[in-house]
Amino acid sequence: NAGVTQTPKFQVLKTGQSMTLQCAQDMNHEYMSWYRQDPGMGLRLIHYSVGAGITDQGEVPNGYNVSRSTTEDFPLRLLSAAPSQTSVYFCAASSGANVLTFGAGSRLTVL
Amino acid sequence: KQEVTQIPAALSVPEGENLVLNCSFTDSAIYNLQWFRQDPGKGLTSLLLIQSSQREQTSGRLNASLDKSSGRSTLYIAASQPGDSATYLCAVDTDKLIFGTGTRLQVFP
Repeated sequence: NAGVTQTPKFQVLKTGQSMTLQCAQDMNHEYMSWYRQDPGMGLRLIHYSVGAGITDQGEVPNGYNVSRSTTEDFPLRLLSAAPSQTSVYFCAASSGANVLTFGAGSRLTVL
Repeated sequence: KQEVTQIPAALSVPEGENLVLNCSFTDSAIYNLQWFRQDPGKGLTSLLLIQSSQREQTSGRLNASLDKSSGRSTLYIAASQPGDSATYLCAVDTDKLIFGTGTRLQVFP
């Protein structure tokens, strides 16, 4: 059981570059979400999706795009990376019971 | 706006001690509260979920309580072990999960 798989695990970008963080789940969960974790800030919700074709903004959505074309995949796109987006990013999936299963995280550094 | 606070931010205890981690939240209109464990460089693992109608949940040496009216939850760890060393986070579900900043626990032999 892979659960939630995130790629890449580590990434270094220059300011202004774009990239996509991939997230895939094999649990057939409808709800998927992206969080960022910064020191002293806890986890903050970026975007979430309650099913294929449906996405919504979380607490800190600026600078990020998402799409949900399939139940399995929920990629997070950074269109023009900024140093403030240096963080650890976590993808999570859950069933209706709201018990989240998290990926291992993607550590992003923007220079 | 819902705010979630965890105290203490860090805790260091000798092996075998019973300990309590605290979580407080400002808005009692929650669906549930979850406790997670995070090991360094890893993702989060769900430990316990308490529905808003419940007062406590138990799993092994872990017991979590919920007092919605006072906006508090506690995670009780019995007979702590070095393997319990990790960061523990609570999160309240108000349509979206709002996380606390965590308590970093170190249990030394």
